[in-house]
Amino acid sequence: AQSVTQLGSHVSVSEGALVLLRCNYSSSVPPYLFWYVQYPNQGLQLLLKYTSAATLVKGINGFEAEFKKSETSFHLTKPSAHMSDAAEYFCAAPERNAGGTSYGKLTFGQGTILTVHP
Amino acid sequence: DAGITQSPRHKVTETGTPVTLRCHQTENHRYMYWYRQDPGHGLRLIHYSYGVKDTDKGEVSDGYSVSRSKTEDFLLTLESATSSQTSVYFCAISGWRRPSSYNEQFFGPGTRLTVL
Repeated sequence: AQSVTQLGSHVSVSEGALVLLRCNYSSSVPPYLFWYVQYPNQGLQLLLKYTSAATLVKGINGFEAEFKKSETSFHLTKPSAHMSDAAEYFCAAPERNAGGTSYGKLTFGQGTILTVHP
Repeated sequence: DAGITQSPRHKVTETGTPVTLRCHQTENHRYMYWYRQDPGHGLRLIHYSYGVKDTDKGEVSDGYSVSRSKTEDFLLTLESATSSQTSVYFCAISGWRRPSSYNEQFFGPGTRLTVL
């Protein structure tokens, strides 16, 4: 069963507009979640991570995400989009194995491509 | 940035030829992973390693093999490349220590492989 679902494979916003990228997770995943960003022709870079310390997590480049257990969501937001935010964004969660032997494996969502228009 | 390099960065090969991709890390992390990235599929795990000489299959391991003879190097081999293996391949590392800890991964720059 898919443990991480990103709603919307493409999101388009105008520069200065709110960015909202959606991620829902399976309630069976361990309580750690990640957002990664991938700029064109580059590897993935960690944007932010939820590690149970606080439900609102701030990341790099003005992004933040809120962990909502009741909604099993971890949506990524940024108040004002910038042209440089154009990239693909991935939500990820640890795999959950019986006995905890996940070996650090992650399950990734399908990705959301963010386009920012001038 | 985590010290992860991949080589080659680009490769074009023909169907049926063997191909080996290399991932090299300088972080001394125990766990290493190979993914492939294809449009519409996100990242899919091919193989992973949890120590020297310790490897296991991931979600899409058919047609691929791996080896890890030392901590810093993790090799991915396509024994006989097929056009369906045209993809971008990423290596990642993790310092995961115990089941109760979070386990972010750090990614290499990727290798773009084209199989004609």
